Amino acid sequence: IAGITQAPTSQILAAGRRMTLRCTQDMRHNAMYWYRQDLGLGLRLIHYSNTAGTTGKGEVPDGYSVSRANTDDFPLTLASAVPSQTSVYFCASSDGVGTDTQYFGPGTRLTVL
Amino acid sequence: GQNIDQPTEMTATEGAIVQINCTYQTSGFNGLFWYQQHAGEAPTFLSYNVLDGLEEKGRFSSFLSRSKGYSYLLLKELQMKDSASYLCAGMDSNYQLIWGAGTKLIIKP
Repeated sequence: IAGITQAPTSQILAAGRRMTLRCTQDMRHNAMYWYRQDLGLGLRLIHYSNTAGTTGKGEVPDGYSVSRANTDDFPLTLASAVPSQTSVYFCASSDGVGTDTQYFGPGTRLTVL
Repeated sequence: GQNIDQPTEMTATEGAIVQINCTYQTSGFNGLFWYQQHAGEAPTFLSYNVLDGLEEKGRFSSFLSRSKGYSYLLLKELQMKDSASYLCAGMDSNYQLIWGAGTKLIIKP
């Protein structure tokens, strides 16, 4: 069982380009999340999905979009990347919403120049 | 506002005990999580407390005081592999996690 996979592992991107970060889980978890982690700051929630077909905005959603067409996949798209989106991006999932433990993918390190 | 405070860095000796403190302010409260994160890796779940008191799990224990907005993670018999960042996260009334910046724990032989 792989758990959660993310792709790519790392990416250098020119400002203004469009980029999709992929996230796939094989645990049949209902809820999925996207966080960014920056040095000196805690993880910040970008978007979440409580179940397939629904999405919601987190703390820092501007400049990002998500979709949840099925249970397993939760891609994050940067429509027009800016340098402030340089960060490490983690995808996570949990069996349900509420207090269920969140399990994290290995992360994508994104640099926007 | 919502806020999680924890020390930036701590140093301890192999075989010793260390306590990592966390204070929290959240809009509503649905529990307190601790995660471990090794450098360059994903956070992994350590513990969850929603009631006051101490929860023990092997070498790791976690304590919660809801009235004080305070938690700590206690690590006993420290091993070199415990060198990592420890993340404190409070769950608010919307069941969203509010994360601290993490405490980097350095273990010296």
